[in-house]
Amino acid sequence: AQTVTQSQPEMSVQEAETVTLSCTYDTSESDYYLFWYKQPPSRQMILVIRQEAYKQQNATENRFSVNFQKAAKSFSLKISDSQLGDAAMYFCAYGGSQGNLIFGKGTKLSVKP
Amino acid sequence: DAGITQSPRHKVTETGTPVTLRCHQTENHRYMYWYRQDPGHGLRLIHYSYGVKDTDKGEVSDGYSVSRSKTEDFLLTLESATSSQTSVYFCAISHQLRYNEQFFGPGTRLTVL
Repeated sequence: AQTVTQSQPEMSVQEAETVTLSCTYDTSESDYYLFWYKQPPSRQMILVIRQEAYKQQNATENRFSVNFQKAAKSFSLKISDSQLGDAAMYFCAYGGSQGNLIFGKGTKLSVKP
Repeated sequence: DAGITQSPRHKVTETGTPVTLRCHQTENHRYMYWYRQDPGHGLRLIHYSYGVKDTDKGEVSDGYSVSRSKTEDFLLTLESATSSQTSVYFCAISHQLRYNEQFFGPGTRLTVL
């Protein structure tokens, strides 16, 4: 069975600085997708970024980028130029052949002004 | 934003009463999911649907049933609510079953007293 681990329950970053959230996963599959979701206090789950396992190039979306290390089964999220609106829970998720997403337990990110 | 609504958004009920949560989508996506979110657990899949009248169990399906009589509606029923079912419930949709991101509704906070 696939598992997703987020080892940092909480993180803090100064506004305008860069922060990296960690995620590791375990799978025996070769084809899969990985995702980062953001959950602000409004509770809405918002897709931040996705990465296809077959792509070597790391995905980027504006200030958000990932460091995907397939052999190490690592998928970290980097947030550059952090903004107050980035404060939220961030969930790493695995999407494979089963169809459902497997979520980590989340990292709570605080942004200090 | 994907057109997904959930009703009710908040509900307080008593142990032993039946409860039905509704998810409605306007995206015509084939696949729909119900997750629950609990502190320290991330999101866990309850049931999912791969078409009208086609459903299957997820990781935490005990005590829940689902129905899908129309493409746009996916109902989650707690036949006899228990305090352990106090949680936030999310509906999600996707247009592919595998290797695909899911889009989430706003969530329903259910409290069972």
